[in-house]
Formats: sequence, structure tokens, C-alpha cells
Amino acid sequence: KAGVTQTPRYLIKTRGQQVTLSCSPISGHRSVSWYQQTPGQGLQFLFEYFSETQRNKGNFPGRFSGRQFSNSRSEMNVSTLELGDSALYLCASSLMTALTGELFFGEGSRLTVL
Amino acid sequence: AQKVTQAQTEISVVEKEDVTLDCVYETRDTTYYLFWYKQPPSGELVFLIRRNSFDEQNEISGRYSWNFQKSTSSFNFTITASQVVDSAVYFCALSEADSGGSNYKLTFGKGTLLTVNP
Repeated sequence: KAGVTQTPRYLIKTRGQQVTLSCSPISGHRSVSWYQQTPGQGLQFLFEYFSETQRNKGNFPGRFSGRQFSNSRSEMNVSTLELGDSALYLCASSLMTALTGELFFGEGSRLTVL
Repeated sequence: AQKVTQAQTEISVVEKEDVTLDCVYETRDTTYYLFWYKQPPSGELVFLIRRNSFDEQNEISGRYSWNFQKSTSSFNFTITASQVVDSAVYFCALSEADSGGSNYKLTFGKGTLLTVNP
């Protein structure tokens, strides 16, 4: 079956702009979670959506937000971009809540902020 | 304080050697979950194993084995007879509820880069 699809794969933005990343989960998966991966901080959990509701949240500022649609597709938005937001953003889907179940990851969206 | 510690930043072995990746975690919860994920050079993380806090039974899957010890808060991963295809970054992760009990957090270790040389 098709895996987790993230778009776009690469993007370049400038400070102050905003960005929206998209994630299509595996068919039938209702949980979508987002992660930021940087060389310095490693892999960090952003938030999880389950059946269109944010279920769990990591320690990120309010500039990072997300939503999930009725078809389980999810978007993540980062407003007022900062240089430190440059990272690989990974999305994962899961049958059950992300924090107890097996996660299936996409290939990520690599964001560069100039 | 780090909740998940993978003390080995990088490990390099020669093919067919056995290698153990260490993971030490910290939690006050009695119910929690531990995971190992593999991130090959392609970048996509791949699930390897999940353990809940009530299941201390060790597990073996082919050349992979995991040793979960609550007494030492460790969840170590051993690859037997390593192969070049095992070269990747390996992440240990902990899932637990926060102090309020209503919000779960998933914390990853910094990862261990394993290089298996032919």
C-alpha cells in the first residue's frame, strides 16, 4: 500500500515568511504526527492529530501549528519563520495514537530559511 | 535533563561483528513505551520495535535483539553479525504522559550513527 507522502520535499523561504507543509497518511491511519529534525536538537516531537483533533503537543512556540482534515491528511504551518526553523520536518502516520503505536514516516520536507 | 540518552554518538564496526547500541531513559511514569527506529541514509525512519513498561521480556528478530531492563532504565539493541546494510542512524524513543497526565510526549534520543564497513 502507498506510504506516507509529504510535500513539498524541499523548499527555501526567507525570514519572516510563513510556510505550509502537507502530509498524506497511509490509508486507514487516523493519527498524523509531526517532528522536527535538526543537527543540533535532534528529532523533536511537534504535535499529533487524531481524527481532526490535536491530541498531543510538544514544546514548540505557537508559531508552529497544524490541522487535520476529514480524510486524515494533515498540514503543518510555521509562521514568521526564523533561521533556526531550518530543518527536516517529518510526518508520521499511525493506526492508533502516535505515542503508543508503530509510526510510519514519510521522507520529510527539508526547509531552508535564509 | 535528557530523558533518553544514547551515549554512543558514533560506532564503527567491521562486517560480521556484533554491536550493541545503548539506550538509557528517565521517567516517573509507571506506564510508558519504548521504541527503536532506524534512519538509513535515504532519511525515512523505519520502526524496529515497541515495548511497553509492563513487558520486560527480551525480544529477538532475526539478527536483531533487544534487552529491556527496568532496574537500570535501559533498553539496549544488539545487532548480531552486522552487515553493511545495517549502516544507519538508530534512535531510541520514550513515550510518556506529562505531569498532568493528559498530554503524552514522545522523546527521541540523539541517535547513534552506526557504520558497518565491509
